Amino acid sequence: NAGVTQTPKFRVLKTGQSMTLLCAQDMNHEYMYWYRQDPGMGLRLIHYSVGEGTTAKGEVPDGYNVSRLKKQNFLLGLESAAPSQTSVYFCASSYRDRPPGNTIYFGEGSWLTVV
Amino acid sequence: SQQGEEDPQALSIQEGENATMNCSYKTSINNLQWYRQNSGRGLVHLILIRSNEREKHSGRLRVTLDTSKKSSSLLITASRAADTASYFCATVKSRFGNEKLTFGTGTRLTIIP
Repeated sequence: NAGVTQTPKFRVLKTGQSMTLLCAQDMNHEYMYWYRQDPGMGLRLIHYSVGEGTTAKGEVPDGYNVSRLKKQNFLLGLESAAPSQTSVYFCASSYRDRPPGNTIYFGEGSWLTVV
Repeated sequence: SQQGEEDPQALSIQEGENATMNCSYKTSINNLQWYRQNSGRGLVHLILIRSNEREKHSGRLRVTLDTSKKSSSLLITASRAADTASYFCATVKSRFGNEKLTFGTGTRLTIIP
């Protein structure tokens, strides 16, 4: 039981390049999330999904796209990377959160540097 | 804007002492959650307290919630070196679920052996 797995763990991009972060969970969770963590800012939600085929914007969605074609996978894409997207990215998942109160399980993080 | 704000930003104590961290928030909540993050790792859920609860315990952890003051505290008793980590509170606004979970900026706890 691997939990939440993110790939790649580290990546350096040049400004304007594109890339995709892959998140996979094996807990049959309905909800999946992508966060970014920056120094002094805490975690901020980029996009989330409440089920296969659905996605929604979080707090800081600009510059990112997501897809949830399979229940166990949630992809985060950067179409044209900018230095402001240098951050640590965390994927997370949980069971359907209605009624609210389900534990969120986090991946180990992906360190992205845009130069 | 950040919903939860932890205090202090950093805390260093001797092993065996108790550590207390506080969290304040601004709007009414459904629940408040505490997470731990070891350096270079992901966040690990510690405890969830609902808005109609005042105190919860889990092992050496004790969480209190005062909705009238919009604040929560996390107490770690008999601290160990392995407790060295950053601790985050996160709040879920009323009528929403984890899609509206908002994290604070964290308290960095260092346990001195």
